[in-house]
Amino acid sequence: QLVLTQSPSASASLGASVKLTCTLSSGHSSYAIAWHQQQPEKGPRYLMKLNSDGSHSKGDGIPDRFSGSSSGAERYLTISSLQSEDEADYYCQTWGTGVVFGGGTKLTVL
Amino acid sequence: QVQLQESGPGLVKPSQTLSLTCTVSGGSISSGSYYWSWIRQPAGKGLEWIGRIYTSGSTNYNPSLKSRVTISVDTSKNQFSLKLSSVTAADTAVYYCARGNPTYYYDSSGFSTLYYFDYWGQGTLVTVSS
Repeated sequence: QLVLTQSPSASASLGASVKLTCTLSSGHSSYAIAWHQQQPEKGPRYLMKLNSDGSHSKGDGIPDRFSGSSSGAERYLTISSLQSEDEADYYCQTWGTGVVFGGGTKLTVL
Repeated sequence: QVQLQESGPGLVKPSQTLSLTCTVSGGSISSGSYYWSWIRQPAGKGLEWIGRIYTSGSTNYNPSLKSRVTISVDTSKNQFSLKLSSVTAADTAVYYCARGNPTYYYDSSGFSTLYYFDYWGQGTLVTVSS
């Protein structure tokens, strides 16, 4: 069964960097995923799609501070030079026999 | 710039049918190879995919909701719609519509497809209560 696993929470200081992880279930390590950001009280926003080789393509207007990388079954979203508006929930998403979402990671900017 | 806007009643009684419409602007719903999806989010919880439709009328639904869901498209109005029958309080959520964009990639098992959501609506809260 295709499952995406994310840590429920993460935190980092203003101006620092943070790396969020999305782990694909066994047997699905080659899948591509997408990352989405959901700021408080807002709808989700597409950030990027990310392949197993780490190649990624960002959505329109997404700052260079956001980048993606991969290692095995793990897909990463790195946010550098953290700003207050980066405090949000981050979801990974993929496609199997239907759409699959990770449980989301709540990022707190200290 | 594609924009999506959900509309429909904010309050539905238990056992009745929830009906929502998503209006697409900034592009034709029929152009490209896009799929049009509904996703929901209960308060304080994560995202749950409900289902999708292609402009040909072909649909796919989340198995957990399939028996109660119907998604349809009206290309003349650039809209697609959701009907969820026999609702209960558990169906109370913010409902989003989104555009699914296919991208193709090669992996160890050959060519695969990722359908990712590149445009989202702002969401509409639907409460199920008598």
